[in-house]
Amino acid sequence: AQSVAQPEDQVNVAEGNPLTVKCTYSVSGNPYLFWYVQYPNRGLQFLLKYITGDNLVKGSYGFEAEFNKSQTSFHLKKPSALVSDSALYFCAVRVPYNTDKLIFGTGTRLQVFP
Amino acid sequence: DAGVIQSPRHEVTEMGQEVTLRCKPISGHDYLFWYRQTMMRGLELLIYFNNNVPIDDSGMPEDRFSAKMPNASFSTLKIQPSEPRDSAVYFCASTPGAGGLNTGELFFGEGSRLTVL
Repeated sequence: AQSVAQPEDQVNVAEGNPLTVKCTYSVSGNPYLFWYVQYPNRGLQFLLKYITGDNLVKGSYGFEAEFNKSQTSFHLKKPSALVSDSALYFCAVRVPYNTDKLIFGTGTRLQVFP
Repeated sequence: DAGVIQSPRHEVTEMGQEVTLRCKPISGHDYLFWYRQTMMRGLELLIYFNNNVPIDDSGMPEDRFSAKMPNASFSTLKIQPSEPRDSAVYFCASTPGAGGLNTGELFFGEGSRLTVL
């Protein structure tokens, strides 16, 4: 069964510092990987995706993520954090041609301090 | 486009009452998903539809839950009878056909926060 793990419930970072939110996955086959963000009292919003090709993918709001097949990871990164980046971040995985389902991780709360 | 529209945004009810949550997907989207979010279990997929047909309902907790999609622009999630453990935020999401689904870009509604007393 496919699954995705986000090992940190919360990540704290000072504004202006780089941030990393971790994600690892377990699938049989080649995964499609995604990051979504959820602001308070809102639905999830798509940030970025890895389908194929370049392992470093860039998304909205200056975020990027690196696909690492050997470590089965897809960590979310940003070179310089903003207070407005504070939100709940979800990693998600899907195995194409197997299922249409998108399986989400448990979420990581990012807190950026001024 | 107005995006995915869910109603009600908030619902407070008493145990044993019937609850109906509604969703209007983005026009032209072939897939519709119902998710439930709680602190304890995170985001769970309950059921999804393709072209109004339920494809996978393995995430539906029990027989008290049912979902329908009578047409391409409307879906309901019903809980009867409701219990306090059903308290959660219920999200509806839609996405275009195979191409959109391959990119995994789900478009979420704002959610329906259900509290069962």
